[in-house]
Amino acid sequence: KAGVTQTPRYLIKTRGQQVTLSCSPISGHRSVSWYQQTPGQGLQFLFEYFSETQRNKGNFPGRFSGRQFSNSRSEMNVSTLELGDSALYLCASSFVRGLAAGETQYFGPGTRLLVL
Amino acid sequence: GENVEQHPSTLSVQEGDSAVIKCTYSDSASNYFPWYKQELGKRPQLIIDIRSNVGEKKDQRIAVTLNKTAKHFSLHITETQPEDSAVYFCAATPLYNNNDMRFGAGTRLTVKP
Repeated sequence: KAGVTQTPRYLIKTRGQQVTLSCSPISGHRSVSWYQQTPGQGLQFLFEYFSETQRNKGNFPGRFSGRQFSNSRSEMNVSTLELGDSALYLCASSFVRGLAAGETQYFGPGTRLLVL
Repeated sequence: GENVEQHPSTLSVQEGDSAVIKCTYSDSASNYFPWYKQELGKRPQLIIDIRSNVGEKKDQRIAVTLNKTAKHFSLHITETQPEDSAVYFCAATPLYNNNDMRFGAGTRLTVKP
């Protein structure tokens, strides 16, 4: 089985712009979670999607949003980018219930976003 | 919400020695505790996890212990090898509620040959 894939792998944007990141889960997986990883804040949970619905959301401003398509692929969008949004954005997929159900999550390679 | 503290932030051991990383959490509702290993430039990978109805879990050279009363859990790596060098993250979450999931800040483990 192919692993979790994320595109693009690297991205450079300027403040005020918006960005869309994509995640394709492992075939058959229906839960997709997004995380932000920075040296200062570490790994932080953004949100989780299951069956095209946002099931859980972390403590991030409304500039961060996402969606999931019927084929379980997910996108996350960050509007009005700030310098502090520079980070590695990771998505992870699991079969049904995700991390909160004690189900193994498989991480993608991440998208490294740099905001100038 | 949950707050997870992880210690130490860096750990250097000699090959063959044991390494112990400790995490404490604040939310008594947390009952699922995974550990992730992240090698430089790579994605996090789950290495072991434990649920609150279990006090200890072992998988070859890796073990995790949980003390629910004291709200702390630890990762133990025995007979360390250079390929164990990585950043290790702990996490705590109430089952079925990702909203309160928190990760520790990470421990950079270096195993010297």
